[in-house]
Amino acid sequence: KAGVTQTPRYLIKTRGQQVTLSCSPISGHRSVSWYQQTPGQGLQFLFEYFSETQRNKGNFPGRFSGRQFSNSRSEMNVSTLELGDSALYLCASSLGLAVATDTQYFGPGTRLTVL
Amino acid sequence: GDSVTQMEGPVTLSEEAFLTINCTYTATGYPSLFWYVQYPGEGLQLLLKATKADDKGSNKGFEATYRKETTSFHLEKGSVQVSDSAVYFCAQYSSASKIIFGSGTRLSIRP
Repeated sequence: KAGVTQTPRYLIKTRGQQVTLSCSPISGHRSVSWYQQTPGQGLQFLFEYFSETQRNKGNFPGRFSGRQFSNSRSEMNVSTLELGDSALYLCASSLGLAVATDTQYFGPGTRLTVL
Repeated sequence: GDSVTQMEGPVTLSEEAFLTINCTYTATGYPSLFWYVQYPGEGLQLLLKATKADDKGSNKGFEATYRKETTSFHLEKGSVQVSDSAVYFCAQYSSASKIIFGSGTRLSIRP
């Protein structure tokens, strides 16, 4: 079974631009979660989507947004990029039915560099 | 609020040494607990998990026991290998319905 895929793998943007990252979950998984990983803040939860609805949200500004399509693929968008948005963005998928015990499967991440 | 605190790294051991990586948590209620591993250049992989007190998660020779009385979930392995070199993250599924990760512990194993 194919794993979680994320595109692109690497991205370089400049301050003020916007960016869209894509995540394709494992077939049959309906939940997609997004995380930001930085050396300073570690791994932080951004948001989770289940059946095209945002089910949960972390403590990030409104510049960070996401959506999920009917095929469970998800995108996240960051507008008005700041230097501090440079990070590895990880996507994880799961069945989404028993959220407290579900196993999340992570993609390899998208490395975003903001200049 | 809910949090996870884990042993700071880096940790460097010789092959076949015994490994312990400490992890403690604060939480409302009894969260599910996880250990994830991140190999160089890759995403996270679930290593093991425990969903209730006294449960022991195990995988690939690693073990961790959910200790409610000490709010801990320490990761152990009896004999590490060079291939275990990676960053290890302790995590909990919090009362706010999201996964909270510890800061990660980088482990390096010398041949």
